Amino acid sequence: GAVVSQHPSRVICKSGTSVKIECRSLDFQATTMFWYRQFPKQSLMLMATSNEGSKATYEQGVEKDKFLINHASLTLSTLTVTSAHPEDSSFYICSAKSGEGGYTFGSGTRLTVV
Amino acid sequence: QKEVEQDPGPLSVPEGAIVSLNCTYSNSAFQYFMWYRQYSRKGPELLMYTYSSGNKEDGRFTAQVDKSSKYISLFIRDSQPSDSATYLCAAYSGGYQKVTFGIGTKLQVIP
Repeated sequence: GAVVSQHPSRVICKSGTSVKIECRSLDFQATTMFWYRQFPKQSLMLMATSNEGSKATYEQGVEKDKFLINHASLTLSTLTVTSAHPEDSSFYICSAKSGEGGYTFGSGTRLTVV
Repeated sequence: QKEVEQDPGPLSVPEGAIVSLNCTYSNSAFQYFMWYRQYSRKGPELLMYTYSSGNKEDGRFTAQVDKSSKYISLFIRDSQPSDSATYLCAAYSGGYQKVTFGIGTKLQVIP
């Protein structure tokens, strides 16, 4: 089945620094990828839709200048959390769709900002 | 009202039991329905994917969709301790449209 690889799985950074999270589709091309955020005991919340070769589409309330998304190729999308603060600590997950079928998720990145 | 409603549980069952997990939804445009299993600190794993109403079976798992009542179910037969996880239902209208998730039901299968 379709595989989405996400790195890193865990990152701890200092407040004010930036963190980049990578999401790769390993055996298919993904013109569209999705970035979610999940807080403990809460469901997945869509942050933005990443489109290859064009600007990402952000959900209402998500700061596009803080969460920079780049989808430079058909297999790679990146999410950069800029000037991270403790309230940005969360579980970030990417997702992509391989043709017909459900959406496949990456393994997630646990970000802790100290 | 949330577009996809799901009881967060927790649900505890003995090993070998049949587990029934359910969701309701309100958006009539939803055509595609999915069930995911999520272990702690991991990304969701796609278990079942169905289109429109009907049943789909895969091993010990059966997914049911009843569009007339806007009801989604996942049945797990012969439940195992390794099935202990959070199960998320999800739905979307098609193409690359936004997927809406339930909050997830935490399941514990007791040996």
